[in-house]
Amino acid sequence: QVQLVESGGGWVKPGGSLRLACSASGFSLTDHYMGWIRQAPGEGLQWMTYISKRGDFSAYEPSVKGRFTVSRDHDRNSLFLEMSSLTVEDTAIYFCVKTRFGTFWDFESWGQGTLVTVSS
Amino acid sequence: SSELTQDPDVSVALGQTVKITCQGDSLRDSYAGWYQQKPGQAPLLVIYAKNNRPSGIPDRFSGSQSGITASLTITGAQAEDEADYYCNSRDTSGNPPVVFGGGTKLTVL
Repeated sequence: QVQLVESGGGWVKPGGSLRLACSASGFSLTDHYMGWIRQAPGEGLQWMTYISKRGDFSAYEPSVKGRFTVSRDHDRNSLFLEMSSLTVEDTAIYFCVKTRFGTFWDFESWGQGTLVTVSS
Repeated sequence: SSELTQDPDVSVALGQTVKITCQGDSLRDSYAGWYQQKPGQAPLLVIYAKNNRPSGIPDRFSGSQSGITASLTITGAQAEDEADYYCNSRDTSGNPPVVFGGGTKLTVL
C-alpha cells in the first residue's frame, strides 16, 4: 500500500529556512517522478516542483526557483524540500506527491500534508 | 505561463448529472487530470489522461476533452461527491510545466 508521510513543517520567521521531508513506502522512488504541491489557507492547489526518477533533473515554479531545492534519497526512499528566504506568501500546506508512471503531471498519491507558517 | 480556468461554484441536485469544466491553452496538446478534495483532506485523483479512472473511483465519474476545454461529469451525483474539484495538465509551452485550475466547489443539493 502506497503511503507518503510528510514532516518538517512548522513556524518560521520571514527570511528563514525550513526543510521538509517525505517518507515513502509501498513503492520505490526510483520508479516515479516525485514532487511537491502547496495549498495556501483557503486557496487552490499550486504546483511547486518535481524531480526525475533518477534525481538528475528537476523543475520549479518560477516564484520559488532559486529559493527551494528538491532532492531525493533512494536509500531512505525519501523526498526532501529545502526552502530558504521564506516569505509570508509561502505559508501553506505542502503536499508530497507521487506521479503516475511515465508522467510528471498526474499526481496519483498524496501525503496528508505538512503546514508551513511564515510569520513574524 | 498558461492558466486553467474553472467556474468557482457549481451545484447539482442529488441524483442528477453535473458537468464541471476547465479551460486553458495547455489543453490544446495535453490531457486534463481531475482531483477531488474534501475539507481537511488531501486531494484525490479521480480522472487522468482525459477519461481514465484510478482504481476505486466510482464509474459515475467520467472525463472528456475537446479543443481547449476539459470536462468532468458526475452522472447521478451523490451527497459524498460534494467537494472541491481541481483540474490540471502539463504545459508543454510554459513555465511552470504543470498548471492547476483555480478549483470548483461542488454543492449537492
